[in-house]
Amino acid sequence: DAGVIQSPRHEVTEMGQEVTLRCKPISGHDYLFWYRQTMMRGLELLIYFNNNVPIDDSGMPEDRFSAKMPNASFSTLKIQPSEPRDSAVYFCASSFGTRHTGELFFGEGSRLTVL
Amino acid sequence: GENVEQHPSTLSVQEGDSAVIKCTYSDSASNYFPWYKQELGKGPQLIIDIRSNVGEKKDQRIAVTLNKTAKHFSLHITETQPEDSAVYFCAARADKLIFGTGTRLQVFP
Repeated sequence: DAGVIQSPRHEVTEMGQEVTLRCKPISGHDYLFWYRQTMMRGLELLIYFNNNVPIDDSGMPEDRFSAKMPNASFSTLKIQPSEPRDSAVYFCASSFGTRHTGELFFGEGSRLTVL
Repeated sequence: GENVEQHPSTLSVQEGDSAVIKCTYSDSASNYFPWYKQELGKGPQLIIDIRSNVGEKKDQRIAVTLNKTAKHFSLHITETQPEDSAVYFCAARADKLIFGTGTRLQVFP
């Protein structure tokens, strides 16, 4: 298996633009997580899905952030409009089975820079 | 909610020495404690985990200990090698998995 695949790996955009990050989880995994990593706040859980259904989005910073999972093999995280403070590395992770005690398999991340 | 503190933030050791990273957690309901290693430009990868019914777990050069009474757990790496250089994250799970802030380990040859 190729692992969790994220795109783009790097994104540089200007404040106010829409940003869409994409994730393909490992086939057969039923949980998908979006994390944000910054120096100041470390790894923060933004939202997670179980069987394509959003379960907990309490970590989403504000209404500018939205996430979807239209099918078992694809998820998006959208920021509209983007702001400089959104600059971070965004990770997608997937797991199989138990909600938070199974191994998380992370993608390589999408590094977002908002100018 | 759960809060996880991790120390030190950076750690430099000579090849062959041991490295210890410590974490404390706040929620006594936490029952699962994984450790992840993140290499430069990569996503974190699970290296070892421990559940609350076990006090210690070992896998080759890596061991984790858990003290539920004191609410702290530690990662021990023996005979460190340059390829152990990375950022290490602890995490604790009560309701959700909460990560510590990370420890940057540098192993000098």
